[in-house]
Amino acid sequence: QKEVEQNSGPLSVPEGAIASLNCTYSDRVSQSFFWYRQYSGKSPELIMSIYSNGDKEDGRFTAQLNKASQYVSLLIRDSQPSDSATYLCAVKWDSSYKLIFGSGTRLLVRP
Amino acid sequence: DAMVIQNPRYQVTQFGKPVTLSCSQTLNHNVMYWYQQKSSQAPKLLFHYYDKDFNNEADTPDNFQSRRPNTSFCFLDIRSPGLGDAAMYLCATSRGTSGTNEQFFGPGTRLTVL
Repeated sequence: QKEVEQNSGPLSVPEGAIASLNCTYSDRVSQSFFWYRQYSGKSPELIMSIYSNGDKEDGRFTAQLNKASQYVSLLIRDSQPSDSATYLCAVKWDSSYKLIFGSGTRLLVRP
Repeated sequence: DAMVIQNPRYQVTQFGKPVTLSCSQTLNHNVMYWYQQKSSQAPKLLFHYYDKDFNNEADTPDNFQSRRPNTSFCFLDIRSPGLGDAAMYLCATSRGTSGTNEQFFGPGTRLTVL
């Protein structure tokens, strides 16, 4: 059974802090990893993708991937109240076009 | 701007009354997906099309059907909606080429079943 696991939260951080969101997955042949942001009542929005071990930075966001540990994380620097949302981790496995989603971590950034 | 469009954004139907949700895309992507998402849950894949090739998930109820008449449009038909089918329905697209296959979502249709 392929699974993607996330802590449901909420993760509460003060404005300006670093928010660290974590995701573990159960399948070793997973190829690509994605982070989506979803505001309440809205659809998921792709914010980061990562395919190789290591870090990938885009603005205030950094994705970190460790395939040996089956672990992917998202760091949000200088967190803003507008970052308050649910963050979904998704994994693409095998040669399929499908994504397996975690159930998301709710982030709350306190002003 | 290239995008994924879903109509309607909100749909109210009665128990057992068929409903059709639509999705269109200007991204010219090969793959189109339909997801169901209930509150505080992960999106659940119902089916996807690679071009005209239909791929159904094993646990998708027969009550859910889909059509893709051309590259740009895809429809989700719910033949006899039950109260348990109330959810957000999300359409997504991806290129379908080898590699990353990033998926982009439309705004969703919120379905209410009375």
